[in-house]
Amino acid sequence: DTEVTQTPKHLVMGMTNKKSLKCEQHMGHRAMYWYKQKAKKPPELMFVYSYEKLSINESVPSRFSPECPNSSLLNLHLHALQPEDSALYLCASSHFIPGARVIENIQYFGAGTRLSVL
Amino acid sequence: EDQVTQSPEALRLQEGESSSLNCSYTVSGLRGLFWYRQDPGKGPEFLFTLYSAGEEKEKERLKATLTKKESFLHITAPKPEDSATYLCAVDAYNFNKFYFGSGTKLNVKP
Repeated sequence: DTEVTQTPKHLVMGMTNKKSLKCEQHMGHRAMYWYKQKAKKPPELMFVYSYEKLSINESVPSRFSPECPNSSLLNLHLHALQPEDSALYLCASSHFIPGARVIENIQYFGAGTRLSVL
Repeated sequence: EDQVTQSPEALRLQEGESSSLNCSYTVSGLRGLFWYRQDPGKGPEFLFTLYSAGEEKEKERLKATLTKKESFLHITAPKPEDSATYLCAVDAYNFNKFYFGSGTKLNVKP
């Protein structure tokens, strides 16, 4: 089973709202990722968690706040977003630990959350 | 500068018309090259991973190959259901992360 589950599938929020995106995997992966994807563009890395610790933050604005409560769950808390933050938000997981000399690094993606900020 | 480039940006084929997609990379220390398929509004679906030059992988109508500078995704006798965006991603020691190419949008007409 290579399933990564993201909820909700769609989210509409105002610029003053606080909402959260959720991601779950049960493959025993210890690396989890958040990506942002705009239309007709490739996914852009936002955050990487390795063993529940934040290992990479790609200079993401503080209105995006990631959280990894345990090895199976990854959250992305959203607050005071801008309309330009509207995008498909993708979660992925893998066995690979960034920086380690491990060759296995297949990232498995969820179906994404389509976010619209009004 | 390290870079991953995919070509063409878009490709229209007739059903049964074989072709190839290209992913060229300029990285030092390739750890792995990955091909994904992405349907509109969905997450990327893993297809293949290649680790060393000369390696080949096949799955149904798709075959991925790797050289020291590029990878090809060959599509043999495609069907309309093969229509999607195909993404190439590179994992290199100096990137310390996945780096995606911009993708090739494939449209197969019946």
